[in-house]
Amino acid sequence: EAGVAQSPRYKIIEKRQSVAFWCNPISGHATLYWYQQILGQGPKLLIQFQNNGVVDDSQLPKDRFSAERLKGVDSTLKIQPAKLEDSAVYLCASSLTGGPYDTQYFGPGTRLTVL
Amino acid sequence: AQSVTQPDIHITVSEGASLELRCNYSYGATPYLFWYVQSPGQGLQLLLKYFSGDTLVQGIKGFEAEFKRSQSSFNLRKPSVHWSDAAEYFCAVGGGGGADGLTFGKGTHLIIQP
Repeated sequence: EAGVAQSPRYKIIEKRQSVAFWCNPISGHATLYWYQQILGQGPKLLIQFQNNGVVDDSQLPKDRFSAERLKGVDSTLKIQPAKLEDSAVYLCASSLTGGPYDTQYFGPGTRLTVL
Repeated sequence: AQSVTQPDIHITVSEGASLELRCNYSYGATPYLFWYVQSPGQGLQLLLKYFSGDTLVQGIKGFEAEFKRSQSSFNLRKPSVHWSDAAEYFCAVGGGGGADGLTFGKGTHLIIQP
């Protein structure tokens, strides 16, 4: 079974530029999550999708971050404009049904460096 | 709001020795608790999880964890560590507020001495 795929794996940009990350969850998984992991910290949830609807985006900085999952499969996370403090690893995860006990499977992440 | 505390930033253990990683949580109801491991350049992998039932939970790679409600703890243990266990370990709590995103601790970096 293929895992969660993410691209690119690494991205370096200047501050105020825009960037987009892509995630393809495990086939058949209804729930998709984006997490931000700053160096030395645990992952922090940014947004949760159930199929193509948003369940929770309370921690997403909506003035600069946006995310979509148009067909209920793959998803894109965008940052525009980027700030220095956005330097982090962006992790995508998926789960089969999205219940609180359902296992979340994580992708390898995209490491973003903002200069 | 739910939170997780992992009091040890780094732990060094000799290969073959036993291991215990500490985790304390704050949660209003019965928590859903998880331990994940993150190896360099790899994604997070679930070791084990707990919601109800037997408070001693067995996971993959020989790990186990014990839920103690009175201490709000969910410590991870392994009787004998291998060099390949060197990694970052994260405790997480989930299921709060109707959404299912996890709240992670800051992690414990495990170093294995030969």
